[in-house]
Amino acid sequence: AQSVAQPEDQVNVAEGNPLTVKCTYSVSGNPYLFWYVQYPNRGLQFLLKYITGDNLVKGSYGFEAEFNKSQTSFHLKKPSALVSDSALYFCAVRDESGGSNYKLTFGKGTLLTVNP
Amino acid sequence: DAGITQSPRHKVTETGTPVTLRCHQTENHRYMYWYRQDPGHGLRLIHYSYGVKDTDKGEVSDGYSVSRSKTEDFLLTLESATSSQTSVYFCAISEGFNYGYTFGSGTRLTVV
Repeated sequence: AQSVAQPEDQVNVAEGNPLTVKCTYSVSGNPYLFWYVQYPNRGLQFLLKYITGDNLVKGSYGFEAEFNKSQTSFHLKKPSALVSDSALYFCAVRDESGGSNYKLTFGKGTLLTVNP
Repeated sequence: DAGITQSPRHKVTETGTPVTLRCHQTENHRYMYWYRQDPGHGLRLIHYSYGVKDTDKGEVSDGYSVSRSKTEDFLLTLESATSSQTSVYFCAISEGFNYGYTFGSGTRLTVV
């Protein structure tokens, strides 16, 4: 079975400060990991993914994420937060050995608020 | 969102009535999914499809059925709507393998 946890329901940061949104996962095989962002009354938008290769993945809007296999984590980071980054962020995982249905399991989401 | 549309965007219905939500894609992707989003639960998978007429249950499938008679359309039916099915429903499509999802804009369903 595959699962993902986002331990923080909310994260508050000041504009210009670095931000981190945490994600840990559990899979049987190798993980495929994703981050999505949801703005109010909108669908989810893809930010970045880790499939294989470099542990540091760069994505849209200046976001990046670091894959850490020993800690089973995939934390989302940005060096300097913007007020416009305020949104709901979802981490998702798929087990490489999970068969051909390619289902993603999502975390419960973390609400990021960037204060001016 | 480009290539995937959901209809209706909003719907209010009465308890006990059947409701059908539609997801339409123009990307010719094989895989389609229905999720519901609820506060404190994130996104939970209802049903998914891996091809025409090929569907399977997700983690919260009770009270829901799906159909996929064409590649481009994936229908979600609430057989007899209950207040617990008040939620925001998202459709997603995927090319599979190492690709993620593209999401629709969602349907906000209220059962009164």
